[in-house]
Amino acid sequence: GENVEQHPSTLSVQEGDSAVIKCTYSDSASNYFPWYKQELGKRPQLIIDIRSNVGEKKDQRIAVTLNKTAKHFSLHITETQPEDSAVYFCAASKSNYQLIWGAGTKLIIKP
Amino acid sequence: ETGVTQTPRHLVMGMTNKKSLKCEQHLGHNAMYWYKQSAKKPLELMFVYSLEERVENNSVPSRFSPECPNSSHLFLHLHTLQPEDSALYLCASSSGAGKTGNSPLHFGNGTRLTVT
Repeated sequence: GENVEQHPSTLSVQEGDSAVIKCTYSDSASNYFPWYKQELGKRPQLIIDIRSNVGEKKDQRIAVTLNKTAKHFSLHITETQPEDSAVYFCAASKSNYQLIWGAGTKLIIKP
Repeated sequence: ETGVTQTPRHLVMGMTNKKSLKCEQHLGHNAMYWYKQSAKKPLELMFVYSLEERVENNSVPSRFSPECPNSSHLFLHLHTLQPEDSALYLCASSSGAGKTGNSPLHFGNGTRLTVT
């Protein structure tokens, strides 16, 4: 069936460095790729999303890139800060009813 | 104020109990969702309601029974659960109805369920 693979499962980076999380998807009809951030004990929140007609999108320190040919997309966080520590989930979908989620990446920012 | 409120935050129940989870959204959305979140696993979509009609049921056991009386409220009725049902149950809402199109999900803080 359709699935989304997310790597790494845990990522530890020094404060100020960059972090990259990668996801691959299997359904070539997927056209929407959101990223959610879930801090410990809190709800997931959308931080950025990209649609299949765009290759890259940036929002301050966060960017997402999409390679439709290779069926993978990545989250880039620059100048990481302690408040970036959280679990990040990627997803791919054709509609809200068919959102396929990755298993999550725990990002640890070391002081 | 999250816009999506879930109660209770924590619930411990025995396998023979009956309980209900409640979700309320104040965002004017017309689609609501129940998700199950287990450690180190992808979020699992359980049910979707659009305009108060169930539009998706991902082969969820019948011991979970959803109810959507109006576009602002969603319930998950639980009975004769198993220990493996212990998880965080998240409610979400979104704008837009229908099976096509995407809009961001707004989640509640979840109910941490423990089945003993």
